[in-house]
Amino acid sequence: AQKVTQAQTEISVVEKEDVTLDCVYETRDTTYYLFWYKQPPSGELVFLIRRNSFDEQNEISGRYSWNFQKSTSSFNFTITASQVVDSAVYFCALWSGGGADGLTFGKGTHLIIQP
Amino acid sequence: NAGVTQTPKFRVLKTGQSMTLLCAQDMNHEYMYWYRQDPGMGLRLIHYSVGEGTTAKGEVPDGYNVSRLKKQNFLLGLESAAPSQTSVYFCASSSQRATQYFGPGTRLTVL
Repeated sequence: AQKVTQAQTEISVVEKEDVTLDCVYETRDTTYYLFWYKQPPSGELVFLIRRNSFDEQNEISGRYSWNFQKSTSSFNFTITASQVVDSAVYFCALWSGGGADGLTFGKGTHLIIQP
Repeated sequence: NAGVTQTPKFRVLKTGQSMTLLCAQDMNHEYMYWYRQDPGMGLRLIHYSVGEGTTAKGEVPDGYNVSRLKKQNFLLGLESAAPSQTSVYFCASSSQRATQYFGPGTRLTVL
């Protein structure tokens, strides 16, 4: 069975602080994909990043960076110099096999950036 | 290019009423999905489709039916709504082994 755990239910930081959102996953498949989605207060789900199980390179995109470690089954997300606009619920998700079974989501981390 | 659209955006039903949620995508994606989002639960897969004319059950399919008569459309039906079906419903689409793109969601309240 697949499982995604986001242990941090809510995080509150002051603007300009760095913040890391944790994601731990479980799967028996050797080929899989990991995702992060952002859900701002407006409610839509915005795709942020996809990583496949064969690519453990960390990725940086502006203030966002992702650390994928197969040894610890983790795919953590760091926001550097946070801004109020980063306030949202962030979901980590897992997908494996032929893609037919949909994404397995974590329960989300509510990130609050205080001015 | 509208991406994934959902109709309606909001709906209030009484227990026992029926309704259909429409999802449409203009990206020529083969795969389409329906999820529900409940507070503190993340998103859970209801049904999905791997192509026109096909449907399959996801994690929480009870009380819902779906149809994919056209490649671009995926319908989610509630035959007899129950308060437990109060939720936000998201549709998504993807090409094989690729990112799922989500619609804006439908907020459904069943009284």
